[in-house]
Amino acid sequence: GDSVTQMEGPVTLSEEAFLTINCTYTATGYPSLFWYVQYPGEGLQLLLKATKADDKGSNKGFEATYRKETTSFHLEKGSVQVSDSAVYFCALSEGETSGSRLTFGEGTQLTVNP
Amino acid sequence: EAEVAQSPRYKITEKSQAVAFWCDPISGHATLYWYRQILGQGPELLVQFQDESVVDDSQLPKDRFSAERLKGVDSTLKIQPAELGDSAMYLCASSFSRKGNSYEQYFGPGTRLTVT
Repeated sequence: GDSVTQMEGPVTLSEEAFLTINCTYTATGYPSLFWYVQYPGEGLQLLLKATKADDKGSNKGFEATYRKETTSFHLEKGSVQVSDSAVYFCALSEGETSGSRLTFGEGTQLTVNP
Repeated sequence: EAEVAQSPRYKITEKSQAVAFWCDPISGHATLYWYRQILGQGPELLVQFQDESVVDDSQLPKDRFSAERLKGVDSTLKIQPAELGDSAMYLCASSFSRKGNSYEQYFGPGTRLTVT
């Protein structure tokens, strides 16, 4: 079945540091890939997405590129801020083959210190 | 901006009691999802509705969990009887998509259930 594996956390960075959170996936078809963010006490918010190979999703300074050859969708940001502290989830959806449900990774807790 | 509404936000119940959660999706969204998120893990799908019909409940523990979306709008998820292992965040999400299309899912704030 489908699965998503994220790098283990938690991750602690200083403000303005470079961020990478690794995400790899296993899927039977050609999934769409997503990054969601969850701030304390809140639901999940879509951060960015990519629907086909080599697509780059970007939002709020975050980027991720859909790499079919390595089955990866790593999240990057060049300069993190304290306000980026949250839990980040990588997810996939196979659409036609799974009715569009999302399969999530376990999440990576990011803490950014001033 | 339209949002997915859930209530209650927090619920504490004793084991063997019944508990119910309510979700009101964004207006016009045909697909509604219930996910369970155990602390420290990613959400897992419990049940998916397309309008008023269940399209995926393969991960729903049907001996104690039930879900309905009678008029194809709001939805209720029920647990009876609750067990200690049911303590988790219950997230509702909705999507404009019809079956087979990966449209964005919008999540509500969740209901945090604690079973004592």
